[in-house]
Amino acid sequence: GEDVEQSLFLSVREGDSSVINCTYTDSSSTYLYWYKQEPGAGLQLLTYIFSNMDMKQDQRLTVLLNKKDKHLSLRIADTQTGDSAIYFCAESRGGSQGNLIFGKGTKLSVKP
Amino acid sequence: NAGVTQTPKFRVLKTGQSMTLLCAQDMNHEYMYWYRQDPGMGLRLIHYSVGEGTTAKGEVPDGYNVSRLKKQNFLLGLESAAPSQTSVYFCASSHGGIMNTEAFFGQGTRLTVV
Repeated sequence: GEDVEQSLFLSVREGDSSVINCTYTDSSSTYLYWYKQEPGAGLQLLTYIFSNMDMKQDQRLTVLLNKKDKHLSLRIADTQTGDSAIYFCAESRGGSQGNLIFGKGTKLSVKP
Repeated sequence: NAGVTQTPKFRVLKTGQSMTLLCAQDMNHEYMYWYRQDPGMGLRLIHYSVGEGTTAKGEVPDGYNVSRLKKQNFLLGLESAAPSQTSVYFCASSHGGIMNTEAFFGQGTRLTVV
């Protein structure tokens, strides 16, 4: 399909790990991104991974990329209530300046 | 630092009315974008600009016009609003092309067309 796919909801308990999954479509995408949207706010870049990498770690965040399956995941270790937000996967796609194609977003709820 | 500022934050329009959404950035970014966010649809690109005086169509440009007369401002116009344009609109800017540089988003404008 043409869409970037994500599950819509994820609920975890505080202190657990969260894993948000995404499948993308364009095998030529150079960068893949995770953006975070807190309630009533715009999107903020959380992390990104270059397409020649398999993994990227940044403090509590781990991004895994499986190019063969076009699968991207975001793992948040020791999830906190402040991590509750909508997480968008996005791929860069086409053109000289390109466009970011966003998934529908995964709403992460963290229960105390 | 203000970053990306959108005005207004909320607006209710009647069908057929016109309005302009203003986006201003103080980061000297070349690239600016307008997205709309609808429930269950993610973000979709309406129009974008790669520099002062330039504009280009995105994924869903119909019913919208844009202008980039000054580098720091990107205006989104609705000439004749329709209920299908009820959405949350986000402006973004980036130093380079959005493929390989971080995009900074405004807080959003919630528009309701009745």
